[in-house]
Amino acid sequence: EVQLVESGGGLVQPGGSLRLSCAASGFTFSNYWMSWVRQAPGKGLEWVANIKRDGSEKNYVDSVKGLFTISRDNAKNSLYLQMNSLRAEDTAVYYCVRDFGSGWSFGMYWGQGTLVTVSS
Amino acid sequence: DIVMTQTPLSSPVTLGQPASISCRSSQSLVHSDGNTYLSWLQQRPGQPPRLLIYKISNRFSGVPDRFTGSGAGTDFTLKISRVEAEDVGVYYCMQATQFPYTFGQGTKLEIK
Repeated sequence: EVQLVESGGGLVQPGGSLRLSCAASGFTFSNYWMSWVRQAPGKGLEWVANIKRDGSEKNYVDSVKGLFTISRDNAKNSLYLQMNSLRAEDTAVYYCVRDFGSGWSFGMYWGQGTLVTVSS
Repeated sequence: DIVMTQTPLSSPVTLGQPASISCRSSQSLVHSDGNTYLSWLQQRPGQPPRLLIYKISNRFSGVPDRFTGSGAGTDFTLKISRVEAEDVGVYYCMQATQFPYTFGQGTKLEIK
């Protein structure tokens, strides 16, 4: 059974940093791109970033470029999102999402999400 | 960025009746590899999104066959043949043809 379990969310002050983690299981993690998608309270979905199978390529939405860094550790079946200089508008539930790989499409599996609240 | 526009934004439907959601992209979603990476997702209240349809018309594992996706190029449709109570939620189209991936605004499906 595929599982994606996020952790690391919480309350942080504006300008602060947070590191999200996603533990993957039930599939060959290194065969898949992985993404982070966020959802502000009561709002729609926004794709944040993704990373290639071997970590050699990373893509970001413009609003987080230079502020967030996506990374992965295939030996630990883990995905990360380092978030720096956080702003109130980064407040959201952050979902870990299995992206393309092995002939399968983006979005087939989602974690339950972890809430990040940026507030003083 | 590719803008995804859904209509309607809200859809009150009677149980057992059909429902339809449209999605239009600001540019063609045909990828250089020939595939069209247009998906539909459902988000029930308090739940993470769930993939229903990928590559326009492919139903994901476990998705009831009352859900059907169609379309091409820039115009796409999700149809529910007979709405059931468990279908209540918000439906999103999304494109993964070009970075950044983008989602529609969401369509809220509710029972009349």
